[in-house]
Amino acid sequence: ETGVTQTPRHLVMGMTNKKSLKCEQHLGHNAMYWYKQSAKKPLELMFVYSLEERVENNSVPSRFSPECPNSSHLFLHLHTLQPEDSALYLCASSQDGTDYEQYFGPGTRLTVT
Amino acid sequence: DQQVKQNSPSLSVQEGRISILNCDYTNSMFDYFLWYKKYPAEGPTFLISISSIKDKNEDGRFTVFLNKSAKHLSLHIVPSQPGDSAVYFCAAISTGGSNYKLTFGKGTLLTVNP
Repeated sequence: ETGVTQTPRHLVMGMTNKKSLKCEQHLGHNAMYWYKQSAKKPLELMFVYSLEERVENNSVPSRFSPECPNSSHLFLHLHTLQPEDSALYLCASSQDGTDYEQYFGPGTRLTVT
Repeated sequence: DQQVKQNSPSLSVQEGRISILNCDYTNSMFDYFLWYKKYPAEGPTFLISISSIKDKNEDGRFTVFLNKSAKHLSLHIVPSQPGDSAVYFCAAISTGGSNYKLTFGKGTLLTVNP
C-alpha cells in the first residue's frame, strides 16, 4: 500500500449507530488531518494531529471523536450522527507543520439515514 | 464568510487550448497558496503552489500567477489535455498562524473536450 488509504470507502449508518472511519498513511509523515466535504461547500478542516497530539479542533460536535494511536493511523469515531452529517470525509497527512503540502486519501462517503 | 472563492463552478475548454482557473481571497494574512486537482472517487492531489514572495511559479504545463494587490491567483494549463478534466481546488494558508490550517475554495470543474 502506498500513500494514504481510507476504509471503508462507503458507509451507510442510522442515527443511533456507532461506527468508525480508519485512515492509514504510508508516507512517514508526522501530521494527519480529518476534513469534511459537503455538497457545494469547501473542504472543512475538522481535526489535526501532529506527532499523535491533537493540535487543531475546529469546533466539531462531540458526536465526532478522533483518535490517533500512532503517527501512521487516524480514526474518526462516529455516534448518534444527524442526516446533515452525510458527506465525504477525507483524511490527509503532511510531513509536519512546516510542509504545507497535504496528501489526501480517497475519502469515505458517509450517508446517515 | 468564505475567505477563498472560486467563482466559476465549471469551465469547458477545447483540447490544446489554454485553461485559466481563477481564485480570489479576502484574508490578507494568507501568504502561501496551493492548487489541488481531484478526480471522481479519488482524494485531492497536490498540483502546484506559490509563496507570496513570488508572482509566478511554473511546473511543466501548469503555471500559477499571484496578484497580491488584487488578492487574486490563477492557474494556467497549456496546452490543455482531456486527462486534465477534474475539479480544481484553490487553497491558502497564513504561515504565521496555524501551519496546519489550509482554507479551500469550493472548486472549479474543468472539462477538456477532445
